[in-house]
Amino acid sequence: AQSVTQLGSHVSVSEGALVLLRCNYSSSVPPYLFWYVQYPNQGLQLLLKYTSAATLVKGINGFEAEFKKSETSFHLTKPSAHMSDAAEYFCAVSERGAQKLVFGQGTRLTINP
Amino acid sequence: ETGVTQTPRHLVMGMTNKKSLKCEQHLGHNAMYWYKQSAKKPLELMFVYNFKEQTENNSVPSRFSPECPNSSHLFLHLHTLQPEDSALYLCASSQEALGLAYEQFFGPGTRLTVL
Repeated sequence: AQSVTQLGSHVSVSEGALVLLRCNYSSSVPPYLFWYVQYPNQGLQLLLKYTSAATLVKGINGFEAEFKKSETSFHLTKPSAHMSDAAEYFCAVSERGAQKLVFGQGTRLTINP
Repeated sequence: ETGVTQTPRHLVMGMTNKKSLKCEQHLGHNAMYWYKQSAKKPLELMFVYNFKEQTENNSVPSRFSPECPNSSHLFLHLHTLQPEDSALYLCASSQEALGLAYEQFFGPGTRLTVL
């Protein structure tokens, strides 16, 4: 069965600092991997996805993530945090050819001025 | 704006009430989903519909009854709910096609409070 673990339910960084949100997955077959963001009182918005092309994936709002098979990781990074990045971030995995997404428990990102 | 709308945005109901949540997608997708998002718990997939047919029911209690009259509309009928059913209910849609990643587009959700 697939699963996703997001290390740290809360992450706090200063404005302008590096953002690193960790995601490890478990899958018996090559996965598709996603990062979603949820702003207060809104639904989830796709930031980026990995579908077996380049292992370094660039998304919206300056975020990127790197697929590392050997580490079963798909960590999300942004070089310089902005106040508008404060939100909850979800990592998700699906099997190739399968429709079901399995989500992690989410990481709440706080940006300090 | 993701192309998926949900109404109402907020709903308060008693345990004996009957209410319905509505979702509409304007993306031409052929698959729709209901999720439950509770505090401190991961998103829980409730139902999946493909081409209007239910293809997954994730052991959801019968007090939740989905309906998908066409590929653009999805309803969740609620009756005799419990306070623990209070949560954010999210609707999503995707385009099902062989070999593609099922990127799901989410609506803003309905915040449900059961008294």
